[in-house]
Amino acid sequence: AQSVTQPDIHITVSEGASLELRCNYSYGATPYLFWYVQSPGQGLQLLLKYFSGDTLVQGIKGFEAEFKRSQSSFNLRKPSVHWSDAAEYFCAVGPLAGTASKLTFGTGTRLQVTL
Amino acid sequence: GAVVSQHPSWVICKSGTSVKIECRSLDFQATTMFWYRQFPKQSLMLMATSNEGSKATYEQGVEKDKFLINHASLTLSTLTVTSAHPEDSSFYICSARRVEDNSPLHFGNGTRLTVT
Repeated sequence: AQSVTQPDIHITVSEGASLELRCNYSYGATPYLFWYVQSPGQGLQLLLKYFSGDTLVQGIKGFEAEFKRSQSSFNLRKPSVHWSDAAEYFCAVGPLAGTASKLTFGTGTRLQVTL
Repeated sequence: GAVVSQHPSWVICKSGTSVKIECRSLDFQATTMFWYRQFPKQSLMLMATSNEGSKATYEQGVEKDKFLINHASLTLSTLTVTSAHPEDSSFYICSARRVEDNSPLHFGNGTRLTVT
C-alpha cells in the first residue's frame, strides 16, 4: 500500500529565510508525486508535480522539489519565504493510470511565517 | 487552466436533514471525480470515487447509504449527505482530472458542512 509521511507537523520560518518541507513516501512502483498548498477554508492548489525525467522540478510561486529515489523523498524547497506562503502544505503520491488517480496524502505541514 | 467548482462553499443544516454538494468541472470533461473529507487540522481522506454513468466506488469504512454519490454527466458529480448528524460536520472536497492528458487532480474549494 502506498503511504506518505510528512514528519513536520508545524514549521515556523522568518520572512526571507529559506524553507524545506520534508516528504517521504512508500510506493511499490514508480511514484507520481505532488505538492499541494491549502489556505484556511480553501481547496487545494497544485504547487508542482513529478512524473519522470529531471528529478528537480520547478513549481509555481518559486517553489521547487527534488525527487530522491534512494531516500524515497520528495522535499519541497523555497529559497526565500514570503508572508503569503503561510498555509498548509500536503505531499501526495499516486498512480496516473487511465482515469484512476487516487492520491494518498500526507498529514500536512503547517507553515507559519514571522515578519 | 482546468477549474473545478464546488457548491455550496459552506452549509449549516439540522440533524436528520440531507445536504447535497455539487462538484463541477468547468472547462473539461471528467469521467472520474473523487470526494475527500478533511477533519480539522488533518489530512484529506478519500471517501469515494465517482464514476460517470456507473456506481461510485467507496473506500473502506465509508457508508454508501449515508454518502450518496451521483455522477450523471461528464462535468457534474454530487455528494448527498443523508440524515446528517453532528459527527458528519466536516470539510468536503472534490477533485477531478482531465481525461485527455496526464494532468494531475484539480480540486474544488471545498464545502464546510456544519450539522447542528
